[in-house]
Amino acid sequence: EAGVAQSPRYKIIEKRQSVAFWCNPISGHATLYWYQQILGQGPKLLIQFQNNGVVDDSQLPKDRFSAERLKGVDSTLKIQPAKLEDSAVYLCASSLPGTSGNIQYFGAGTRLSVL
Amino acid sequence: RKEVEQDPGPFNVPEGATVAFNCTYSNSASQSFFWYRQDCRKEPKLLMSVYSSGNEDGRFTAQLNRASQYISLLIRDSKLSDSATYLCVVRVGSSNTGKLIFGQGTTLQVKP
Repeated sequence: EAGVAQSPRYKIIEKRQSVAFWCNPISGHATLYWYQQILGQGPKLLIQFQNNGVVDDSQLPKDRFSAERLKGVDSTLKIQPAKLEDSAVYLCASSLPGTSGNIQYFGAGTRLSVL
Repeated sequence: RKEVEQDPGPFNVPEGATVAFNCTYSNSASQSFFWYRQDCRKEPKLLMSVYSSGNEDGRFTAQLNRASQYISLLIRDSKLSDSATYLCVVRVGSSNTGKLIFGQGTTLQVKP
């Protein structure tokens, strides 16, 4: 079974530039998550989708971050404009609602460096 | 105060040692509990769920104390391949829409 796919794997940009990340969840997984993991910290949830609806975006910095999940499958996360403190790994995860304890499967992540 | 707190370590132990990690959580409404493992520059992967009765998976034993809001992970007979960061995770909310809260992780380095 294919896992969660993310691209690109690495991205280097200058501050104030824009960047977008893409995620393709495991087939059939209705719930999709974007996390930000800063070096030395655990992942922090940015946004959670159930199909193409937003369940939780309370920790998404909406002045610069946006995310969409058209058609309830693939998702994109955008940062515009980027700041130095956005340097982190952006992880996408998916899960199958109703599975015991909501087990999430993660993609390999996109490592963003903002210079 | 962080919602999930862990000692970041690092824990440096010799092969064959027994090592224990602890974690506390602040939200008494937390529903489910997990340990995830994250290798260097890799994504987190589920190691095991944690149940109130305690559960074991080979050399790994997890315990949950709801009254104290405390979770533990015990690794016996440590292997070099156990070297990784161990993330304590709690779920708040329903199984369908609840969100996971991650601790900052505890780093384990097993040495020959």
